[in-house]
Amino acid sequence: AQKITQTQPGMFVQEKEAVTLDCTYDTSDPSYGLFWYKQPSSGEMIFLIYQGSYDQQNATEGRYSLNFQKARKSANLVISASQLGDSAMYFCAMRGPNDYKLSFGAGTTVTVRA
Amino acid sequence: DAGVTQSPTHLIKTRGQQVTLRCSPKSGHDTVSWYQQALGQGPQFIFQYYEEEERQRGNFPDRFSGHQFPNYSSELNVNALLLGDSALYLCASSLFGLAGGQETQYFGPGTRLLVL
Repeated sequence: AQKITQTQPGMFVQEKEAVTLDCTYDTSDPSYGLFWYKQPSSGEMIFLIYQGSYDQQNATEGRYSLNFQKARKSANLVISASQLGDSAMYFCAMRGPNDYKLSFGAGTTVTVRA
Repeated sequence: DAGVTQSPTHLIKTRGQQVTLRCSPKSGHDTVSWYQQALGQGPQFIFQYYEEEERQRGNFPDRFSGHQFPNYSSELNVNALLLGDSALYLCASSLFGLAGGQETQYFGPGTRLLVL
């Protein structure tokens, strides 16, 4: 069974600065996918970025990048040039090789200060 | 391009009652997954439907059941409601993918269920 751990319950970041959100995972499977989602207070989960376990390069999508360290089983999300609209809950999720489902971590709340 | 829609947005029920939540997938998607998100926690997978069949189920009791229609929309039914069923219920849609695939699940705004 996969387990996702997000150890930072809440973080504050100054506008225009970068912030790193931690995510570690536990799996014995060599093949898996990692996802990050953003959940504003409205409730809708918004897909941000995907990293496959066999991808050679770290994924990037605009201001979002993923610091993927396979040996350490970590997939940290980096948000550059934070904006007030980035204030939300952020979830790391994993899909294992035999799964259709996503397994989510507990999430990290990010508050961007002006 | 219509995204994932869910109805109703909010619902209040009493213990022992039954509830039906509805989901319409994103245009072009054929797979629907349901998740339960308790306050302050990450979403927990309930089940996924593809071709009108449940193809994976999470650790939820049989009180939770679902259905997918030929137009790919889906319903989540919960019988004999408990106080602990109070949560945000999220529907996600995706294109058919293999197990372990990289297809993205796109979520709707959710239905907030309160059981009194």
